[in-house]
Amino acid sequence: AQSVTQPDIHITVSEGASLELRCNYSYGATPYLFWYVQSPGQGLQLLLKYFSGDTLVQGIKGFEAEFKRSQSSFNLRKPSVHWSDAAEYFCAVGDRGSSNTGKLIFGQGTTLQVKP
Amino acid sequence: KAGVTQTPRYLIKTRGQQVTLSCSPISGHRSVSWYQQTPGQGLQFLFEYFSETQRNKGNFPGRFSGRQFSNSRSEMNVSTLELGDSALYLCASSLSGASDTQYFGPGTRLTVL
Repeated sequence: AQSVTQPDIHITVSEGASLELRCNYSYGATPYLFWYVQSPGQGLQLLLKYFSGDTLVQGIKGFEAEFKRSQSSFNLRKPSVHWSDAAEYFCAVGDRGSSNTGKLIFGQGTTLQVKP
Repeated sequence: KAGVTQTPRYLIKTRGQQVTLSCSPISGHRSVSWYQQTPGQGLQFLFEYFSETQRNKGNFPGRFSGRQFSNSRSEMNVSTLELGDSALYLCASSLSGASDTQYFGPGTRLTVL
């Protein structure tokens, strides 16, 4: 069955430090890959996505992610974290099947806390 | 361009009642998906509609249903509410499906007492 695993439920980093959030997926082929961020009481905002091509993708707010097919991973990184980055982060996969269904499978999320 | 809107934003119901939630997608988007978000189960896919047809369905009981209108607006209905239905219900729209970016609305917070 398709699944997404975010091993870290909660991460705390100091402001200005680098960040890496891990995401592993289980899928029959290379899916569409996404990272979303959710602030308290809000909906989800897309940070970046991977459909094909360059395996290092750039997103908004200074985030980037690298797709590694051999490791079935799509880890999110940011070189220097800002206090406003504190939020919950979700990795998700979408189906490349012929139906093009919009269904996304989400990981359990990683809550990021930023220390001043 | 206006984003995805969901109404109402907050709702309080009692067990046994039914509820209807509404989602207006971004103009031109034909795919609308619904998700349930709870602290215990996370984000779970409910169903997706495309051009007024249900294209995919998650693993939820038949009490959860939806529909899509010709203008792509979508509604979801939950009948015979249970305490466990308390959740944030999110809707997302995209041009055609998985190959396009999905944009999420702010959600409807449903509390069942």
